[in-house]
Amino acid sequence: GENVEQHPSTLSVQEGDSAVIKCTYSDSASNYFPWYKQELGKRPQLIIDIRSNVGEKKDQRIAVTLNKTAKHFSLHITETQPEDSAVYFCAASKAGTYKYIFGTGTRLKVLA
Amino acid sequence: EPEVTQTPSHQVTQMGQEVILRCVPISNHLYFYWYRQILGQKVEFLVSFYNNEISEKSEIFDDQFSVERPDGSNFTLKIRSTKLEDSAMYFCASSGGALYGYTFGSGTRLTVV
Repeated sequence: GENVEQHPSTLSVQEGDSAVIKCTYSDSASNYFPWYKQELGKRPQLIIDIRSNVGEKKDQRIAVTLNKTAKHFSLHITETQPEDSAVYFCAASKAGTYKYIFGTGTRLKVLA
Repeated sequence: EPEVTQTPSHQVTQMGQEVILRCVPISNHLYFYWYRQILGQKVEFLVSFYNNEISEKSEIFDDQFSVERPDGSNFTLKIRSTKLEDSAMYFCASSGGALYGYTFGSGTRLTVV
């Protein structure tokens, strides 16, 4: 069935360093890939998304890359700050369906 | 910024009881969803709702679950006879289009005892 794998499950970086989180999806028909940030006890919040007609999208310190051939997409956070500490979820969806398939999450800790 | 609101924030119920979780989606959104998140696990799709009917549901969404949009603003999830394994955070979400980023509500933590 449809599946999204996400790695690593935990990631610790020093403040100012970059963080990269990777996801792999199984359904080649997937064409929409959002990323959500979830702080402890709070709602998931959309931070960036990418559609399959582009290979990269950037928004300030956050970027997402997509490799459709390999069915990989990645989240890149540069110049990390303590407030970036949270759980990050990737997801995949496709036309004709209304649901997201979420990855298992990455707990990012930015050490001051 | 428009928000999706959910009530209650926390509900404790006895096994076998019915619960209704309530959501008010963003007013101009057309697509509504329920997801759940068991503590420490990933967010799982339950059901999507569009044009006053279920558009898709997961295998989790069995006969014990139902959704309703009783008026122009509320969107509810009912669990008819709760089980211990229904304990989770339930998130409502809405979106303006089928492949647009969702806005999630703040969730209802359901504890079945």
